[in-house]
Amino acid sequence: GAVVSQHPSWVICKSGTSVKIECRSLDFQATTMFWYRQFPKQSLMLMATSNEGSKATYEQGVEKDKFLINHASLTLSTLTVTSAHPEDSSFYICSAREGGWPQHFGDGTRLSIL
Amino acid sequence: AQSVAQPEDQVNVAEGNPLTVKCTYSVSGNPYLFWYVQYPNRGLQFLLKYITGDNLVKGSYGFEAEFNKSQTSFHLKKPSALVSDSALYFCAVRVSNSGNTPLVFGKGTRLSVIA
Repeated sequence: GAVVSQHPSWVICKSGTSVKIECRSLDFQATTMFWYRQFPKQSLMLMATSNEGSKATYEQGVEKDKFLINHASLTLSTLTVTSAHPEDSSFYICSAREGGWPQHFGDGTRLSIL
Repeated sequence: AQSVAQPEDQVNVAEGNPLTVKCTYSVSGNPYLFWYVQYPNRGLQFLLKYITGDNLVKGSYGFEAEFNKSQTSFHLKKPSALVSDSALYFCAVRVSNSGNTPLVFGKGTRLSVIA
């Protein structure tokens, strides 16, 4: 089946640093990628949708300058959390699909900001 | 607007017994419906989907779901639960002709299967 690889799986860093999370589709071309954020014991909150070669579309309330998304190729999208602070600590999950359905998900990245 | 309701935060079932995880949806149009499972510190794994056709959909790991248009429901079922089925289950929906829109998820239901 379709595989989405997300890296790193866990990152701990100091407040004020920037963190980059990679999302790769390993065996298909991801025309569309999604980034979600999940708080403990809660559902997934969509942050943004990106199409290869285009600017990402951010959901209301998500700061585009804080969460930089780049979808430079059909197999790679990155999310950079800039100047991270403790309130940015969360579980971030990417998802990808090749035109049709379903959406395939990465294993998530747990981000802890000290 | 699309929405999904999973009325139960937690479902407990004994191993070997049948399980049901409930899901109802609201869309303005024909729905595409999905079930995903999430294990601790992992992403979501696709279980099954309803796009069109037979209302009873069979998926991975022995799970199935029945699309009921009149009740706007898509409950997840399994005839005999396993301890390894214990996880967080998400129902999701999108409208069939909505282009590039992403899935909308329910809040999730935690399933605990007790040996």
